[in-house]
Amino acid sequence: DSGVTQTPKHLITATGQRVTLRCSPRSGDLSVYWYQQSLDQGLQFLIHYYNGEERAKGNILERFSAQQFPDLHSELNLSSLELGDSALYFCASSVQYGANVLTFGAGSRLTVL
Amino acid sequence: DQQVKQNSPSLSVQEGRISILNCDYTNSMFDYFLWYKKYPAEGPTFLISISSIKDKNEDGRFTVFLNKSAKHLSLHIVPSQPGDSAVYFCAAESNDYKLSFGAGTTVTVRA
Repeated sequence: DSGVTQTPKHLITATGQRVTLRCSPRSGDLSVYWYQQSLDQGLQFLIHYYNGEERAKGNILERFSAQQFPDLHSELNLSSLELGDSALYFCASSVQYGANVLTFGAGSRLTVL
Repeated sequence: DQQVKQNSPSLSVQEGRISILNCDYTNSMFDYFLWYKKYPAEGPTFLISISSIKDKNEDGRFTVFLNKSAKHLSLHIVPSQPGDSAVYFCAAESNDYKLSFGAGTTVTVRA
């Protein structure tokens, strides 16, 4: 158990729908990162939050949004889902801004049918 | 735009022998490189890292080599053990603290 908790572990939904993925960072970690891993792809950086504020954005689609709440948990919202959004979504946390070693959760596997 | 590339999707090695995983990158501004290991149904876990000012870092059975002129790094695992069977991701950090990951290499250690 890495200490980073992601829910749900698996999610199956239909095109056009909206889902929310949840992440609880490791205790004491202020930074939360979201990554997407599609089939045979590396982990693609989506977004980084530090202590509630957005710090960096990667190749995140406009249909996707995220936030980090005062209790430091984070949610990734995916809307108007398309088949190509099927992927593993990983959350990672680190204790400080700019730390290069991240602790990852086990991921949420999203399947869009 | 894949800035970090792992060109070998898989590697099979006999137990006790050396595993060599390769990684190439294109961004000369990367200043830190990391290897992560991932088992099925788990998230990636940090394995070993190297700063761009060094050319070698060793931690037990794991050694990472960095060749900045060639924009290439490699991970050596010796001796390989069955528990090393996993997917290995190479990652590089730019000065805005973003990590770029390669597509991963699946290592299978044969008994």
